[in-house]
Amino acid sequence: DVKVTQSSRYLVKRTGEKVFLECVQDMDHENMFWYRQDPGLGLRLIYFSYDVKMKEKGDIPEGYSVSREKKERFSLILESASTNQTSMYLCASSLSPGRQAFFGQGTRLTVV
Amino acid sequence: GQQLNQSPQSMFIQEGEDVSMNCTSSSIFNTWLWYKQDPGEGPVLLIALYKAGELTSNGRLTAQFGITRKDSFLNISASIPSDVGIYFCAGQLRDSNYQLIWGAGTKLIIKP
Repeated sequence: DVKVTQSSRYLVKRTGEKVFLECVQDMDHENMFWYRQDPGLGLRLIYFSYDVKMKEKGDIPEGYSVSREKKERFSLILESASTNQTSMYLCASSLSPGRQAFFGQGTRLTVV
Repeated sequence: GQQLNQSPQSMFIQEGEDVSMNCTSSSIFNTWLWYKQDPGEGPVLLIALYKAGELTSNGRLTAQFGITRKDSFLNISASIPSDVGIYFCAGQLRDSNYQLIWGAGTKLIIKP
């Protein structure tokens, strides 16, 4: 069974903290994605990666960075967390960019 | 960025009713995907469509890739309580080689 695993279901962080969200997939997929989900706005792409050490900005990259040192792992970094980054964060992977994406269970991040 | 118009935004229905939702765009798509998200979880793929005119069923769910390639619909027949959740459409643009474009979601609520 295919699996995308996010390291935390819930996180509470303070404003200004550096935050790491980790995602691991076991499907040997080339492509990995980070989305944030807010009510009424659907899924918005933050960053994606189509290969190790490669990354591309999505629609809302400001305030975020990513790291892909190994094929199976894609990390999202909030350099200095702010309250407007309180959201649900979803990681996904796919065999090719336009094909079905498999999602992790999500990380609900609260910045106080 | 590109937009998908997904409607309705939410639906309140009685158990046993049929449900219909759709996504439209002014752009042409190569792929349409329909996902369901249960509360507190990541989205899970329901149906994938790769050809204009394609009609695909998955149990009580039926989805179609519009002939114009600019729209898709999802129908759920004889709704049951576990159908509650948020349904998302996603598509890959014809002239794009990467990432999916997402609708804002349709929230399905079943009245007791």
